[in-house]
Amino acid sequence: KNEVEQSPQNLTAQEGEFITINCSYSVGISALHWLQQHPGGGIVSLFMLSSGKKKHGRLIATINIQEKHSSLHITASHPRDSAVYICAVRRGTDKLIFGTGTRLQVFP
Amino acid sequence: DAGVIQSPRHEVTEMGQEVTLRCKPISGHDYLFWYRQTMMRGLELLIYFNNNVPIDDSGMPEDRFSAKMPNASFSTLKIQPSEPRDSAVYFCASSSGGAISETQYFGPGTRLLVL
Repeated sequence: KNEVEQSPQNLTAQEGEFITINCSYSVGISALHWLQQHPGGGIVSLFMLSSGKKKHGRLIATINIQEKHSSLHITASHPRDSAVYICAVRRGTDKLIFGTGTRLQVFP
Repeated sequence: DAGVIQSPRHEVTEMGQEVTLRCKPISGHDYLFWYRQTMMRGLELLIYFNNNVPIDDSGMPEDRFSAKMPNASFSTLKIQPSEPRDSAVYFCASSSGGAISETQYFGPGTRLLVL
């Protein structure tokens, strides 16, 4: 079993829909990252969370430390949100452990 | 700022050849990371440096891989000899703030194909 699991693996949506991507982890962590990888391959760090919730534009990330779970929400989705979204956790040492990613496609 | 710069962007080589990947972190950042991404294994941390000193290289696959950071503005990842299973996209990232949990800025990646 992977230490970081994401669901769903693939997600399609119509423009304007509300989207949720989930990340569950099985180890104690000190921080969780959400990354976005564009179709061209570039990676952008979206959020770093250690508790609670963060919001940036149409993106909202939440984390529940007790339940070992984080969600990434996209409101009013747009085709330009199409990308792979990757969850990564830091535990114990400074090493980051990555989920396998969720591929999102938003159609107009 | 130009962001993290990696070169080359693409590399095609034959098995057994030496490959050197280069990275220039964002000026002022004191952490530098090397990652590898494959379809099978996703993103993996290979090694990271703090103030030019390697801190954790436990992700480096084997002795064929080596990384150096001779100064704050340059790092290399070398594979010698290269093998087809090394084919992947290699990302360099940098961050500041004194902890790996700070936001990391990724370079565009080097796509390596070993034939």
